[in-house]
Amino acid sequence: QKEVEQDPGPLSVPEGAIVSLNCTYSNSAFQYFMWYRQYSRKGPELLMYTYSSGNKEDGRFTAQVDKSSKYISLFIRDSQPSDSATYLCAMDGGSNYKLTFGKGTLLTVNP
Amino acid sequence: GAVVSQHPSWVICKSGTSVKIECRSLDFQATTMFWYRQFPKQSLMLMATSNEGSKATYEQGVEKDKFLINHASLTLSTLTVTSAHPEDSSFYICSARDSGTVYEQYFGPGTRLTVT
Repeated sequence: QKEVEQDPGPLSVPEGAIVSLNCTYSNSAFQYFMWYRQYSRKGPELLMYTYSSGNKEDGRFTAQVDKSSKYISLFIRDSQPSDSATYLCAMDGGSNYKLTFGKGTLLTVNP
Repeated sequence: GAVVSQHPSWVICKSGTSVKIECRSLDFQATTMFWYRQFPKQSLMLMATSNEGSKATYEQGVEKDKFLINHASLTLSTLTVTSAHPEDSSFYICSARDSGTVYEQYFGPGTRLTVT
């Protein structure tokens, strides 16, 4: 079993839809959870980060962490064509700052 | 927000030559930087962890004599691909951890290396 599992998609939604992106993990040592957005041929951009279980909201984005289930989610409300990108979840055990990434989900928002 | 730059953004070199890629944190200090490699439609693969003033730590399977890493200052790390071969062609991305925060890492825009 891989440490981090993420559905690679692709995921295609109409503009304005609510998007749900998910990752599961197996390593209980992971303490910090991040979501990155990567446009084609660009470096990943940090979208959200969180430490504890619960929800964190930033504009149209909500990150959700459930440590008991080892499950994290990113919700995008009122999705826009500019949200079309690959979304990567990443986790950090805290001891050496190395991130473990999911494979990424390719999202396309159609106008 | 925190900005990390990479130079060059794209480089073409001939087989057998060496290429140096620079990674700079522009508005924060980074005691730790990371170098990744990414193939098309794949996730990032960590190559090495670069700590300022000390030797880099390489991931298993990464040749340290081929991928030379130097982290000479709190804002600059370099990756040199020595004796490059076509199979080294890839997208190389660095990230930097803000020394003033707990775990936030910021990525550079990446460098596309093509070895002919």
